[in-house]
Amino acid sequence: EPEVTQTPSHQVTQMGQEVILRCVPISNHLYFYWYRQILGQKVEFLVSFYNNEISEKSEIFDDQFSVERPDGSNFTLKIRSTKLEDSAMYFCASRPGSSYNSPLHFGNGTRLTVT
Amino acid sequence: DQQVKQNSPSLSVQEGRISILNCDYTNSMFDYFLWYKKYPAEGPTFLISISSIKDKNEDGRFTVFLNKSAKHLSLHIVPSQPGDSAVYFCAAREGSQGNLIFGKGTKLSVKP
Repeated sequence: EPEVTQTPSHQVTQMGQEVILRCVPISNHLYFYWYRQILGQKVEFLVSFYNNEISEKSEIFDDQFSVERPDGSNFTLKIRSTKLEDSAMYFCASRPGSSYNSPLHFGNGTRLTVT
Repeated sequence: DQQVKQNSPSLSVQEGRISILNCDYTNSMFDYFLWYKKYPAEGPTFLISISSIKDKNEDGRFTVFLNKSAKHLSLHIVPSQPGDSAVYFCAAREGSQGNLIFGKGTKLSVKP
């Protein structure tokens, strides 16, 4: 069964550094998402992406964050200048565009640790 | 402001018995509800969903019930198996883009 794949599985970075989290969504999917889960808290929506542009973003997704689909397969999340509170699991998700009621398929996440 | 609430952080059930996980929501505009299962070090895995026009959806051992008037949904697992032990997240769709709002999760432990 097709999967959403995320790399790396674990990223350690120093505060103030830029990080890029990478995702390869399922190939025929049209909607792409980033979520995060801070340890012990709920999974939170960051941003959705469709037709090569951001369709919706949350309050968390401030100017430090950006997303890109640089080619036909990758979907990236960039954090420009990381803060300690950015430490979390970051999940990429995708869903097809064929059905209005279709579930999101999640990757296994990237654990980001900011020191 | 929690729009999706799972008030039980944990649930312990004996193997073979029924597991009932509950979820409440506040936004009457939600029109699609999902349950995800999550193992440690993995992403959420889709389990079952229900549209707001239905009150029940069944898939094998898993049944989701929706009570729109009470803004309540539940997931029934019967019979429960030790492999069902995981964190279960309730989620509701907000908006046409399909963005999901998650509850905090309920950790289910099924004891042999």
